[in-house]
Amino acid sequence: DAKTTQPPSMDCAEGRAANLPCNHSTISGNEYVYWYRQIHSQGPQYIIHGLKNNETNEMASLIITEDRKSSTLILPHATLRDTAVYYCIVGSSNTGKLIFGQGTTLQVKP
Amino acid sequence: GAVVSQHPSWVICKSGTSVKIECRSLDFQATTMFWYRQFPKQSLMLMATSNEGSKATYEQGVEKDKFLINHASLTLSTLTVTSAHPEDSSFYICSASGSSLYEQYFGPGTRLTVT
Repeated sequence: DAKTTQPPSMDCAEGRAANLPCNHSTISGNEYVYWYRQIHSQGPQYIIHGLKNNETNEMASLIITEDRKSSTLILPHATLRDTAVYYCIVGSSNTGKLIFGQGTTLQVKP
Repeated sequence: GAVVSQHPSWVICKSGTSVKIECRSLDFQATTMFWYRQFPKQSLMLMATSNEGSKATYEQGVEKDKFLINHASLTLSTLTVTSAHPEDSSFYICSASGSSLYEQYFGPGTRLTVT
């Protein structure tokens, strides 16, 4: 499975958009980009996934570069409850295996 | 939305005893379930993948005889930590996928403390 690189931490002001970057330069053609988040001492929560097109759902938007070597998760209006560790994961839908990296700790500040 | 539960939410046991953790998908049939372990201030580590009715597939370095996984039905998987030792103390989390592996739904986790 391809590895991902994320900044260890980021701050965001409440109400602003949070843009979380992820590099996955070794992604292969059939691998998807998944985003999950984990609020302290809870199980991770699915956010969004994509293959090559940009995706949007009620939680977030996912922007994937044309070469698929990087992506950005966008939380359009961050709230204090969005404070969490955000994991960008690259994996095949054939196995469903998710290999978690260290993620980005997003701190939303009032 | 899809809900996955785990029981117990926390457990304390003595060294040398075995502990069973249950993972249930409450409102969908989970074809595949995954078990993870998370130490404090660390990321999740995948331990094994289990498909209903099949033997679990363990990740490299995970002892299959120590961490027994059973996925007997489409809504229940169990993880038994056998002969637990203090170094097995951790946060154990399961996840489940239905017909699509694109989305995994995670349980709330079980905190195991071995004394």
